[in-house]
Order: sequence, then C-alpha cells, then structure tokens
Amino acid sequence: DAGVIQSPRHEVTEMGQEVTLRCKPISGHNSLFWYRQTMMRGLELLIYFNNNVPIDDSGMPEDRFSAKMPNASFSTLKIQPSEPRDSAVYFCASSLEGGGWETQYFGPGTRLLVL
Amino acid sequence: AQSVAQPEDQVNVAEGNPLTVKCTYSVSGNPYLFWYVQYPNRGLQFLLKYITGDNLVKGSYGFEAEFNKSQTSFHLKKPSALVSDSALYFCAVRGPRDDKIIFGKGTRLHILP
Repeated sequence: DAGVIQSPRHEVTEMGQEVTLRCKPISGHNSLFWYRQTMMRGLELLIYFNNNVPIDDSGMPEDRFSAKMPNASFSTLKIQPSEPRDSAVYFCASSLEGGGWETQYFGPGTRLLVL
Repeated sequence: AQSVAQPEDQVNVAEGNPLTVKCTYSVSGNPYLFWYVQYPNRGLQFLLKYITGDNLVKGSYGFEAEFNKSQTSFHLKKPSALVSDSALYFCAVRGPRDDKIIFGKGTRLHILP
C-alpha cells in the first residue's frame, strides 16, 4: 500500500501567486482531510470530505483557500492569491469512515513557503 | 463543544525511565480518543485509540494509554523510554455526536540518553 500521496513535497512561491497542493488518498478510503500545521497555531483542520462531498469547511481561513475532490482518488487545495502568512506544512489524511472511530492516515505533507 | 488539552508543551525523560504525556478532554457523551506521533519532517502516525471496553489501551511501539472517565483524561505512557521515542505527540478526541476529530496542540517529548 502506497499510503497517502501528496505533491509537491516542497513549494516556494512569491506572494500573489496561485498555489495548488495535491493529494491522493489511500484506495478504498472515503473520507479525506486537509490540515495545516504551523508553530504558532499547531495542527488545524481546514476541510474534510466524505464520499467526495465537502462536509465541513469551517476551518478554511478565508476565500483565498478552496478545495475540491473531483473523484475518490484525488483532491486539491488551492490558495489564490498566496500570502506569506500561508507558509506552513499542509497535510492530507484519509480514513475509512466507520462511525467515528476511524484511524486517519496522514501523508508526508507539503511544506509551503510564500515569500 | 468538544475540546482536548495537552498541558505540557515539552516533556523531558531520561532513557530507560517511564514516561507520561498528559491529555484531558471535554465532550458530550462517551468519547473516542486517539494518540498520534509525528517524527521530524513526517506526517502524523496513529499510535492507539480508545473506543469502548478496557480502559487500558495498548498501541504501537510499546505505548499504552489509560482512559479515566472521572478525570476526563487519556494519558499516554510507556514503561521504559527510548531515545527513538523523541517526537511530537498529539492527543485527539471525537464526541459521539460530533463529525470530526479535534487534535491537541501537541507535546514534544525529549528522551535524554
């Protein structure tokens, strides 16, 4: 099993540019989560999907952030335009929804630096 | 609303000594409780979880955690620490009527050789 795959692993961009982060969940999992981790704020849940449908996006910081899941094997998190305060590590995780006790499997993360 | 607290930002333990990483929670109803570990430059890895049943849960790498309902705690423990246990540890909780897991801020564990 390849686990959760994220790309790119590292991204350096300039303020104002569009950034797209990609995630491939574990095959067969039907829940997908996007998290952001910073030293100041810790691990924050941005949005999560169940069966490709966004269930809760209350953690998305503002309209510059958007996420899609066009099919069960792919999701994107887009930031447009990017700002220096968006610099963080972004994690994608997936799970097999089983009523609340499911284990989440995390990808290796994308380290984003916005200059 | 559900919440989870890890009162210690950092815990230092000598190698070979027992370790405890603390976690307390607040939910309505019976909780689902989790511990995850994060090694440098890696994603979080699942360690163990409590859903129901025996209050003492055993997990990966020799770790265990004890669910204490009266104290609303779920402390992570290991009888003998290894230097390789040095990492960032996250406690997480989900209430029975909540639809997402909430993670604590994390506790950095340093095992001193």
